[in-house]
Amino acid sequence: GESVGLHLPTLSVQEGDNSIINCAYSNSASDYFIWYKQESGKGPQFIIDIRSNMDKRQGQRVTVLLNKTVKHLSLQIAATQPGDSAVYFCAETAGQFYFGTGTSLTVIP
Amino acid sequence: DTAVSQTPKYLVTQMGNDKSIKCEQNLGHDTMYWYKQDSKKFLKIMFSYNNKELIINETVPNRFSPKSPDKAHLNLHINSLELGDSAVYFCASAGGSGARNEQFFGPGTRLTVL
Repeated sequence: GESVGLHLPTLSVQEGDNSIINCAYSNSASDYFIWYKQESGKGPQFIIDIRSNMDKRQGQRVTVLLNKTVKHLSLQIAATQPGDSAVYFCAETAGQFYFGTGTSLTVIP
Repeated sequence: DTAVSQTPKYLVTQMGNDKSIKCEQNLGHDTMYWYKQDSKKFLKIMFSYNNKELIINETVPNRFSPKSPDKAHLNLHINSLELGDSAVYFCASAGGSGARNEQFFGPGTRLTVL
């Protein structure tokens, strides 16, 4: 099957700093990508999405960058807050969704 | 007004038992999924149903049998539970109108097989 992998399984950042979470995907046919946030004891929740015809998309404090040439996706969180501590997943789809392993983000107050 | 709900939230049982997990969504979505999340947080799709019809059946032991009585419900029955079945099982739904095609996840069911 397809694989969606993350470069770093854990990430610790100081409160107020920016966070960058990376994701590599392998299916060049994938045309839609989503970042999910999973807090402890809860299901994944949608953060932001991007389609393959875009390189960048911004939300509130979050930005997703897509580099189709190297099949790389990143999530940038500005001014990281303690409430951002969670596991973050990227997911790709060309029909069926595939999720990455997840990166655990810890925000240090 | 929970969008995707699952019951039970926790399930502890002995090896060899048969158990069911229920899922309901009130979003009017046509597609529902079951995922298994292991101890390393890896999310793997197990099944997908579209309007009560099975469309995805990943490599899952046939001890796992999904049932969709209607498009708002997708239950998961597991026979002869094994230690390796211990995980968190998430139900999700998708299929809303608009540009976003996200999946909405339930709160998860933590299954522990002793």
